[in-house]
Amino acid sequence: QLQLAQSGAEVKKPGSSVRVSCKASGGTFRHYVVSWLRQAPGQGLQWLGGLNPILGPTKYAQKFQGRVTISVDESTNTAYMELTNLTSDDTAVYYCARDLTVGYDSGWFFYWGRGTLVTVSS
Amino acid sequence: EIVLTQSPGTLSLSPGERATLSCRASQSLSRGSVAWYQQRPGQSPRLLMYGATRRATGSPDRFSGSESATEFTLTISSLEPEDFAVYYCQQYETSPYTFGQGTKVEI
Repeated sequence: QLQLAQSGAEVKKPGSSVRVSCKASGGTFRHYVVSWLRQAPGQGLQWLGGLNPILGPTKYAQKFQGRVTISVDESTNTAYMELTNLTSDDTAVYYCARDLTVGYDSGWFFYWGRGTLVTVSS
Repeated sequence: EIVLTQSPGTLSLSPGERATLSCRASQSLSRGSVAWYQQRPGQSPRLLMYGATRRATGSPDRFSGSESATEFTLTISSLEPEDFAVYYCQQYETSPYTFGQGTKVEI
């Protein structure tokens, strides 16, 4: 059974950047779509983007275009999400998710990490 | 982007009752590209349904989905105590993938 272990909570200053990691065990990111989503406190879910290692290129929600970068290090089975130029509106729990089907962007999210709280505060 | 509107915001029911949750899309989703998720407090979302009507692996058969072009429904036939949670619909017809604001099912 695939498990996704995310890095710990972060506190960041406005204008800074954050990088969140997501390490897979019991499975791999190789040839699977990995996505990142977030959930602000008490709010709903928001998709940031997804990396398709076969079809490429990485898709990003236009709202985050230019500020978010998703990458995968296959040698360590770890995915990363970097978000730059942080504001208080970026305070949220950030989730990684991996597709169920190899080589195919289903568009839905089966495997989820447990989330990483990123707090942006001066 | 496609906007999803869920109703009602909160559904107050008792165990054993039937729950009907709605999700309306701002434009037609011709391929039925809708998924439903359950989120319990402090937990990650859990996929229940995809393709509007297909149950995800591990999803109990008391959960079912129906669809029209813009109106999608998640039905829980008989509520179990563990079903009291927040439910989100999601469209993956076009990027950006978007979610509804959620329906809370409470006792």
